[in-house]
Amino acid sequence: DAKTTQPTSMDCAEGRAANLPCNHSTISGNEYVYWYRQIHSQGPQYIIHGLKNNETNEMASLIITEDRKSSTLILPHATLRDTAVYYCIVRVASFWGGTASKLTFGTGTRLQVTL
Amino acid sequence: NAGVTQTPKFQVLKTGQSMTLQCAQDMNHNSMYWYRQDPGMGLRLIYYSASEGTTDKGEVPNGYNVSRLNKREFSLRLESAAPSQTSVYFCASSEIAGGTDTQYFGPGTRLTVL
Repeated sequence: DAKTTQPTSMDCAEGRAANLPCNHSTISGNEYVYWYRQIHSQGPQYIIHGLKNNETNEMASLIITEDRKSSTLILPHATLRDTAVYYCIVRVASFWGGTASKLTFGTGTRLQVTL
Repeated sequence: NAGVTQTPKFQVLKTGQSMTLQCAQDMNHNSMYWYRQDPGMGLRLIYYSASEGTTDKGEVPNGYNVSRLNKREFSLRLESAAPSQTSVYFCASSEIAGGTDTQYFGPGTRLTVL
């Protein structure tokens, strides 16, 4: 799986958009970009994933550059409850009936949302 | 729909004692996983089960055994606990969607071995 690079920490004011960058310059064509977050002492929470196209769900948007070497997770209106460590993970897809693929969590970005 | 549940939430053991961590999911997922997370570190995969009836070692399997009891349940057993196994243990399950699988995690079991 490709290696990712994220800033160690970021701050964001409540109500503003939080833009979390991730560099994955060695990503392969069959590797997806996943984002998870971990709020203190809780289990990791899935946020969003994508392959080539930008993606949006009820939690966030994922913007992947055209060359796929970097991506940005956007939380459109950050709240205090979004304070967490955010992990960008690049991994090969697993297919039905095939080998389950582990998630490799790096150190992530610690996002602090403030009033 | 409870998702992934784990029991117990907290446990304290003495060195050499044994215990089983329980995990269950109600999402009809085929694959299940056990991870451990040490303070200030990322998650490391202990064992996984791609489907009912199969289990495989992850990156840190020593000192652990697993059982995929049925499609819903995946247990992790420590036969002789050691202080190095003090950690937070997370269970996860995954589904296939859009050509890839997404893992969903339980709340964790906080284990201290004295």
